[in-house]
Amino acid sequence: DIQMTQSPSTLSASVGDRVTITCRASQSITSWLAWYQQKPGKAPKLLISKASNLESEVPSRFSGSGSGTEFTLTISNLEPEDFATYYCQQYNSWTFGQGTKVEI
Amino acid sequence: EVQLVESGGGLVQPGGSLRLACAASGFTFSSYDMHWVRQVVGKGLEWVSVIGTNGNTNYPGSVKGRFTISRENVNNSLYLQMNSLRAGDTAVYYCVRGAYSGMDVWGQGTTVTVSS
Repeated sequence: DIQMTQSPSTLSASVGDRVTITCRASQSITSWLAWYQQKPGKAPKLLISKASNLESEVPSRFSGSGSGTEFTLTISNLEPEDFATYYCQQYNSWTFGQGTKVEI
Repeated sequence: EVQLVESGGGLVQPGGSLRLACAASGFTFSSYDMHWVRQVVGKGLEWVSVIGTNGNTNYPGSVKGRFTISRENVNNSLYLQMNSLRAGDTAVYYCVRGAYSGMDVWGQGTTVTVSS
């Protein structure tokens, strides 16, 4: 089974910061990686597919990069509504990372 | 509006069974893979099952042999039959649409509690 490891688990940041979350796969998944945002009490929301494709209506301050086994999600100029938990997911066998909570 | 609405959650005793349902609307249901994903309160996301447009299914080891996913395209409905339930199956269960490389539509979730 492909394992996904996210880091950090928690990230403290301020409005206006640039933050980066890393996701590593235990074996190559080429670009089959998605990123999700989840706010408390809500279902996750797809932000990025195929490692770097921004979904429609997702603000351009979100970006994704990487291929193979190492991927990053970057949020530039953090907004108050961006404080949430972020998950990566490999789309070969659908495993999720353990999540990264972005908090103030 | 594209929408997924789950139902069927509730309290069940260990060893018991439960059947979740998901009603899809606003899109051509038969054209999409469909998934179930669960989340223990306060914890991460766990993929539970997938059913393809051709009816092929797949499960992780944690539920294989106990859970069965199925679909009725004529009714735009997805199901999850859960047998031999354990305390560790307690979670919010989401019905999710599978797109090309991501899960792009999520239901609001239904809560399953396995407890005596």
